[in-house]
Amino acid sequence: GAVVSQHPSRVICKSGTSVKIECRSLDFQATTMFWYRQFPKQSLMLMATSNEGSKATYEQGVEKDKFLINHASLTLSTLTVTSAHPEDSSFYICSAPGSSGEQFFGPGTRLTVL
Amino acid sequence: RKEVEQDPGPFNVPEGATVAFNCTYSNSASQSFFWYRQDCRKEPKLLMSVYSSGNEDGRFTAQLNRASQYISLLIRDSKLSDSATYLCVVNSLGGYQKVTFGTGTKLQVIP
Repeated sequence: GAVVSQHPSRVICKSGTSVKIECRSLDFQATTMFWYRQFPKQSLMLMATSNEGSKATYEQGVEKDKFLINHASLTLSTLTVTSAHPEDSSFYICSAPGSSGEQFFGPGTRLTVL
Repeated sequence: RKEVEQDPGPFNVPEGATVAFNCTYSNSASQSFFWYRQDCRKEPKLLMSVYSSGNEDGRFTAQLNRASQYISLLIRDSKLSDSATYLCVVNSLGGYQKVTFGTGTKLQVIP
C-alpha cells in the first residue's frame, strides 16, 4: 500500500508556543489530505480537509486560526498548532486517500503541551 | 443521529470464537466503505474494503447492505492478536470527498 509519513512523531512544548506537524505522501500524490485528532480512549475526530492549492475545509468547532493548514505541494500538508495550550495535547494523525477511496494514515504525532 | 454509528463494546470473546460487528450509516449517497483496525496508541490500518457482493480475507468477512444501510465485519476463530478497536469508515462525495469514521468497536480476545 501507499506510504504516508509524519514528522515529528512526538513533540513536547511549552504553553504558548507553536508546533508544526508535517504529513507527506511518499510514493503517490495527494491533492487532498485529512487531519485528525484523537484524545486518550476516544475516537478519531476529523479536524479538517487539506486541499492542495486552496484553503482547507474545517469541521465544525475547529478553529481555523488556531490550527493552520498549508498544502503547498501534492505530497506535503502541514498542520501548525498556534499558541498551544495543555488542552491541545493529543494524538494528531493525517491521512491521504488512495485511488479506491481508502485512507492511508501517517503514524501520528503525539503532542504534549506543558 | 450520527452519520456513522458503531457499538463501542467492548466485546470480550474467548479465543476461537466468532464475533461480528455492525456499523450503520445515514447518508444513502455513501459510495465506499472500509473496515480499519486501530491498536492502542497507533494509527488506524486498513483491514479490508467492503463490497456490495461481500468479500472475505482469511478469517475476516465483510458485508454491505445498501438497502438497510449497514456494513458488517465477521471474524472467525478469534486470535489474541485480533484484540484492537475496529473502525468502520464511509466515504461520500458531495463537492469534495467526505470521510466519516465510526467511533470504533473495541474487541478483547481472552485466552
